[in-house]
Amino acid sequence: SAVISQKPSRDICQRGTSLTIQCQVDSQVTMMFWYRQQPGQSLTLIATANQGSEATYESGFVIDKFPISRPNLTFSTLTVSNMSPEDSSIYLCSVERASGGNEQFFGPGTRLTVL
Amino acid sequence: QKEVEQNSGPLSVPEGAIASLNCTYSDRGSQSFFWYRQYSGKSPELIMFIYSNGDKEDGRFTAQLNKASQYVSLLIRDSQPSDSATYLCAVKSVRGKLIFGQGTELSVKP
Repeated sequence: SAVISQKPSRDICQRGTSLTIQCQVDSQVTMMFWYRQQPGQSLTLIATANQGSEATYESGFVIDKFPISRPNLTFSTLTVSNMSPEDSSIYLCSVERASGGNEQFFGPGTRLTVL
Repeated sequence: QKEVEQNSGPLSVPEGAIASLNCTYSDRGSQSFFWYRQYSGKSPELIMFIYSNGDKEDGRFTAQLNKASQYVSLLIRDSQPSDSATYLCAVKSVRGKLIFGQGTELSVKP
């Protein structure tokens, strides 16, 4: 599986501010995704990060709130904008490799607390 | 009906027993099925994937798929306390989106 890192691993932020989360993979991957896992819940897909074009957002998630960049095949960022306490969650990036099957592998996650 | 359904548990089994985790899905066109293990405070770890009807074995883990019944299961043989975690069933939809169940919490008692 690919080695995936995320920065920061955790953060505590004030209401109304923004946080950018970075996801770095050690090899080129075709697909990168961003998920949210709220406390005690399962994973919800926020968007697919498309290399060189705008991300594809799932229902209930919008670009103004969660802008995403993917400048190349190994790196992506997710920004959580104008944060409120409801944004407190774990944010995870995942990847599917360029070679291989359908499998998705997850990064270690970013634990965000908004006060 | 939820797209992917799992019993939330907790499922408690004694050490050495077989743990059986079940999952049903609604999208009949789904072709790829995954089991992730998530320890508390950690990210999900892929432990099994299955694409064809029948059984797939990997060590102590066996995934079973029945597309006609829209049912996928995970068996853990010789359960160990270290297997205590939440197990997430995930199904890839026809559109390519990975949809997760709510997860089943497994507790293996020594």
